[in-house]
Amino acid sequence: DSGVTQTPKHLITATGQRVTLRCSPRSGDLSVYWYQQSLDQGLQFLIQYYNGEERAKGNILERFSAQQFPDLHSELNLSSLELGDSALYFCASSVTGLRDEKLFFGSGTQLSVL
Amino acid sequence: DQQVKQNSPSLSVQEGRISILNCDYTNSMFDYFLWYKKYPAEGPTFLISISSIKDKNEDGRFTVFLNKSAKHLSLHIVPSQPGDSAVYFCAARLSGGGADGLTFGKGTHLIIQP
Repeated sequence: DSGVTQTPKHLITATGQRVTLRCSPRSGDLSVYWYQQSLDQGLQFLIQYYNGEERAKGNILERFSAQQFPDLHSELNLSSLELGDSALYFCASSVTGLRDEKLFFGSGTQLSVL
Repeated sequence: DQQVKQNSPSLSVQEGRISILNCDYTNSMFDYFLWYKKYPAEGPTFLISISSIKDKNEDGRFTVFLNKSAKHLSLHIVPSQPGDSAVYFCAARLSGGGADGLTFGKGTHLIIQP
């Protein structure tokens, strides 16, 4: 158990809908990362937050947004969903988000858009 | 364009033998490399890392070798055990800052046969 909690584990929805994925980092970790793993793809970095502030952006679509709350949990909002958004979404956390820190990953949310 | 490439989607190795997983990268600005291991229904877990100032890092049965001139790294597992059966992701981090997310390869599924 990495200590990172993601909910829900599975989510099935329809095209055009909006969903929210939730992540609780390990106790004491201030930085949260979101990654997307599509079929036959490596993990694609989406976005990073540190102590409530956005720190880095990767390949995140404009239809997607995220935030980190004062209690340090994070939510990833996906809107106007398309079939291609079906993927496994991972959250990871680290203490400060600095370069050589290990990331601790949650077990992911499997999103299926039908 | 895939900046971190793991060209073998799967690898089968007999228990007790050496497992060698390969990874190539194209971006010369990567200066820190990591291997993550992933079991089904779990998130990736950190295995071992190497800085670009080194050419080898060892941790128990796991050794990572880095050949900067060839932009190639490899993970050696000796001896291979049944519990090593998992998907292994190679990841790289850009130099010059701590805020960038990791760039992952697509993974290699290692199967250890009894």
